[in-house]
Amino acid sequence: QLQLQESGPGLVKPSETLSLTCTVSGGSISSSSYYWGWIRQPPGKGLEWIGSIYYSGSTYYNPSLKSRVTISVDTSKNQFSLKLSSVTAADTAVYYCARHVWQQLVLYFQHWGQGTLVTVSS
Amino acid sequence: SSELTQDPAVSVALGQTVRITCQGDSLRSYYASWYQQKPGQAPVLVIYGKNNRPSGIPDRFSGSSSGNTASLTITGAQAEDEADYYCNSRDSSGIYVVFGGGTKLTVL
Repeated sequence: QLQLQESGPGLVKPSETLSLTCTVSGGSISSSSYYWGWIRQPPGKGLEWIGSIYYSGSTYYNPSLKSRVTISVDTSKNQFSLKLSSVTAADTAVYYCARHVWQQLVLYFQHWGQGTLVTVSS
Repeated sequence: SSELTQDPAVSVALGQTVRITCQGDSLRSYYASWYQQKPGQAPVLVIYGKNNRPSGIPDRFSGSSSGNTASLTITGAQAEDEADYYCNSRDSSGIYVVFGGGTKLTVL
């Protein structure tokens, strides 16, 4: 069964870079059928898509975050990563990694990690 | 603000039917998917595509679409269905991914 696990610091200082890694087990990140995405959820608020990556390295970012986001993939480790620069308190959120299908008429996030809370504070 | 609009809260009596809606221009061209999220848990996919349920999702959950509105219907709501529900699709440009603001479902 596919499992995704987020890892990284739970506390980041303002203006610094948030870095998270998602480790995929029970399936290959190199599958041509899927994309791998990051989604976040500020406390008490809704879901926000951050961006997605294909195993080939093609990336797609939320326009509102694009200037600060980098998503990369390491197929040898079956991992993909998120970097968000110049963070502020507004970036405090639970960060989820997920596998999704992205086809012509439909996209959906099938499998989610458990999420990790990242707090931005000095 | 989200390009997919959901009512913030909806309530339903136990055993009755409830419809949760999601509106957006992109839904005229693309299907919505639906997620259930309970407190402290990750979202769970409940409906995707025209009206598909992942394995393990009860058949009381169904999806439909008309014009710019997608709907999630729960027929015979159970106490365990009380949760936040989010819709998801592409944005109006068709390029990016968006989520609706979420609907809090209360089962009375």
